Amino acid sequence: DQQVKQNSPSLSVQEGRISILNCDYTNSMFDYFLWYKKYPAEGPTFLISISSIKDKNEDGRFTVFLNKSAKHLSLHIVPSQPGDSAVYFCAARVYGQNFVFGPGTRLSVLP
Amino acid sequence: NAGVTQTPKFRVLKTGQSMTLLCAQDMNHEYMYWYRQDPGMGLRLIHYSVGEGTTAKGEVPDGYNVSRLKKQNFLLGLESAAPSQTSVYFCASRPTSGGNTGELFFGEGSRLTVL
Repeated sequence: DQQVKQNSPSLSVQEGRISILNCDYTNSMFDYFLWYKKYPAEGPTFLISISSIKDKNEDGRFTVFLNKSAKHLSLHIVPSQPGDSAVYFCAARVYGQNFVFGPGTRLSVLP
Repeated sequence: NAGVTQTPKFRVLKTGQSMTLLCAQDMNHEYMYWYRQDPGMGLRLIHYSVGEGTTAKGEVPDGYNVSRLKKQNFLLGLESAAPSQTSVYFCASRPTSGGNTGELFFGEGSRLTVL
């Protein structure tokens, strides 16, 4: 049973518009939630994170929202750019220990 | 600063052969991890280490062994490779405190094919 779920395998967005990637989790013992971006033939790279005690974190074009009551987080990219086209993994850290990853969402930003 | 380096990048094995993947990090990180990535399944934790001389099982440890004899190196071994172990393997590390972001630092991956 997956503890971290990304129910949309893929998403297509027009350049300049907003991209919203969603993630749901089932375990309340997570202390950090993170988003990683992965290009083909490369390792995942860290994008943005949020502590479980916060509900929003913003870094430039990227904002992560956390809704603890719904066990849901989302990543907003505004405005979307073609270089944002990649696979995005949602991850959760089990209180200072291991990380659990979702299956990923492939984002395509169309020119 | 090389970060996390994995060798080899590619390898083809026959069923039953053995091999070792090497992960080296130059960031003095305490924690190191081995993940495998398969289509539609994200990254699954194989084994991890919280410091030199320690190892622990992750989500999918069967068929793999690991060793952390030096702080900067984390080895992943396959004693008798099986086709089900065809995958892309990622090593990652992080400091104990995890900083303010809790992030992992990943290597570029090792693609293993078992025929």
